[in-house]
Order: sequence, then structure tokens, then C-alpha cells
Amino acid sequence: DSGVTQTPKHLITATGQRVTLRCSPRSGDLSVYWYQQSLDQGLQFLIQYYNGEERAKGNILERFSAQQFPDLHSELNLSSLELGDSALYFCASSPRTSVVAKNIQYFGAGTRLSVL
Amino acid sequence: DQQVKQNSPSLSVQEGRISILNCDYTNSMFDYFLWYKKYPAEGPTFLISISSIKDKNEDGRFTVFLNKSAKHLSLHIVPSQPGDSAVYFCAASKLPGTASKLTFGTGTRLQVTL
Repeated sequence: DSGVTQTPKHLITATGQRVTLRCSPRSGDLSVYWYQQSLDQGLQFLIQYYNGEERAKGNILERFSAQQFPDLHSELNLSSLELGDSALYFCASSPRTSVVAKNIQYFGAGTRLSVL
Repeated sequence: DQQVKQNSPSLSVQEGRISILNCDYTNSMFDYFLWYKKYPAEGPTFLISISSIKDKNEDGRFTVFLNKSAKHLSLHIVPSQPGDSAVYFCAASKLPGTASKLTFGTGTRLQVTL
């Protein structure tokens, strides 16, 4: 158990809809990352938050947005869903202090999104 | 642009033998490299890492080798066990002041046979 909790585990929805994925990081971790894994692909970085502030952005679509709340949990909002958004969405968190050579991210079990 | 590449989608190894998983990268700004293991229906689990100032890091049965001039790293598992059967992802990052994003390869599925 990584200590990172993602809900829900599975989500089935229709095109055009909007969904929210939730992530609770490990206790004490300030950084939260979101990744998308499409079929047979590697994990693609979407966005990072650090202590409530957006820190880095990857290839995140404008239809997607995220936020990190004061209690450090994070939500990823996906809107106007398309078939191609079907994927596994992973959340990861990393320790409070980033000692050199300790850039380890701990991943949740993911949310499998199916857009029909 | 795939900055981290794992060119072997799958690998089959007999139990007790050595498993060697390879990874190449193109971005010379990467300073830190990690291997993650992933079982079905689970998230990736950190396995071992190496910083660019080293060329080898060992942890039990797992050893990672880094060849910076070739922009190549490899993960050796000795001896391989059936429980090692999983998808292995290579990942890279730039050394941070605060933690930074990981760039992942597409993974290699390792099957350890009896």
C-alpha cells in the first residue's frame, strides 16, 4: 500500500460528460502529480501541484483542470469527455523535502475511466 | 517526442536466470533515473533509482546501471523469481529543488517462467 488513495477505481460515462477524480496523497506529502496512461502507453505527465499551487504543467488538455485543496487532497476535472479520454489516470505524491537524489513519487492504484 | 524509450515491449526469462531490462533516453538534461514495477490493477511501485553522478546502484537482487555517454540504463534482476513478473517502467527526471515530473518509457512486460 503506497499510502496514496484514489477514488473512484472505475468510472464509466458518456461522451460530452464531466467527471471528477479524487486523490489523497501520503500523509505529509506536499506535492501531487497527475498522470494519464492510455492503452499500451507509458504514463504521461499532466500536472503537478505543490502545497496548493500549480507547479508544472505537461500535455494537459484545456478541457482538463485540477486543483489541490488546503488539506492537500487533489481533484482532476475532465469535461466535454471524448472517446479518446478513456485511460487510466494515476495520482502520485512525493515527500515534503526533496533531498537531492530522492525524487521518488508514490502512486495510487489509479482510476480507470471509460468514455462510451 | 519520446524522450525515454523502452524498445522491448516484452521479455521472458526462466526462473533463477538474470533478467536485463533496457532503457534509452534522449534528453541530456535528465539527472535522475528510476525504475518502477507495475502489477495489473495496481499503481506503479518504486523499485530502484540512480543519480547521474553514479554508474551503478544495487539493492538486493536489483541493480541499475547507467551509461551517461550512451544515454542508456539497464535494470538487472538476479536471480529472477516468478513474483517479478510485471511491467517495468523506466522513468527520468531533472534533479529538482522541489520534486519534478517524471518522464516514463512505455514499459517492458517481464514474464518469469518456471
